[in-house]
Amino acid sequence: QKEVEQDPGPLSVPEGAIVSLNCTYSNSAFQYFMWYRQYSRKGPELLMYTYSSGNKEDGRFTAQVDKSSKYISLFIRDSQPSDSATYLCAFRPTDSWGKLQFGAGTQVVVTP
Amino acid sequence: DSGVTQTPKHLITATGQRVTLRCSPRSGDLSVYWYQQSLDQGLQFLIQYYNGEERAKGNILERFSAQQFPDLHSELNLSSLELGDSALYFCASSPRTMNTEAFFGQGTRLTVV
Repeated sequence: QKEVEQDPGPLSVPEGAIVSLNCTYSNSAFQYFMWYRQYSRKGPELLMYTYSSGNKEDGRFTAQVDKSSKYISLFIRDSQPSDSATYLCAFRPTDSWGKLQFGAGTQVVVTP
Repeated sequence: DSGVTQTPKHLITATGQRVTLRCSPRSGDLSVYWYQQSLDQGLQFLIQYYNGEERAKGNILERFSAQQFPDLHSELNLSSLELGDSALYFCASSPRTMNTEAFFGQGTRLTVV
């Protein structure tokens, strides 16, 4: 079993819809949870990070963490064509100096 | 623009050759991380340096090595290249050792022919 599972998509939604992305993980040592956005042929860009269960909002983005179920989600409200990208979840355990464990990434396409 | 600079952007080389990828971190960042992204393996952590010292190692092959210099730039050396080494190689940097907020460069696309 992989440490991180993420549906690769593609996930196609109409402009203005809510995009819902999620990842499951199996490593209980993961204590920091992140979402990155990667446009084609570009480097990943940090969108949000959190270390506690619950919701965290930043503009149109909401990150949700459920440590008991080992499940994290990212919601994008009022999606725009510019949100079309690959979204990667990432995890870091407390005992790791710097290693991030990434999901495979979900490709999102927002159609006008 | 993340502030992390990687050169070159593209590299095409033959099997068996050796290449060096270069990374300049964001101003003031002491940690540098190298990642490999391939279609079948996704984004994989290779190695981390902090202020010139190796701090963490991932699934880095013995044919690969890295270092961080006193001016904090880093180089990733790949030798005896194989077709399977073709991938995007990313460098990321952060202010501290803990990688919670890492900023990625644009990557070097390596093609081994």
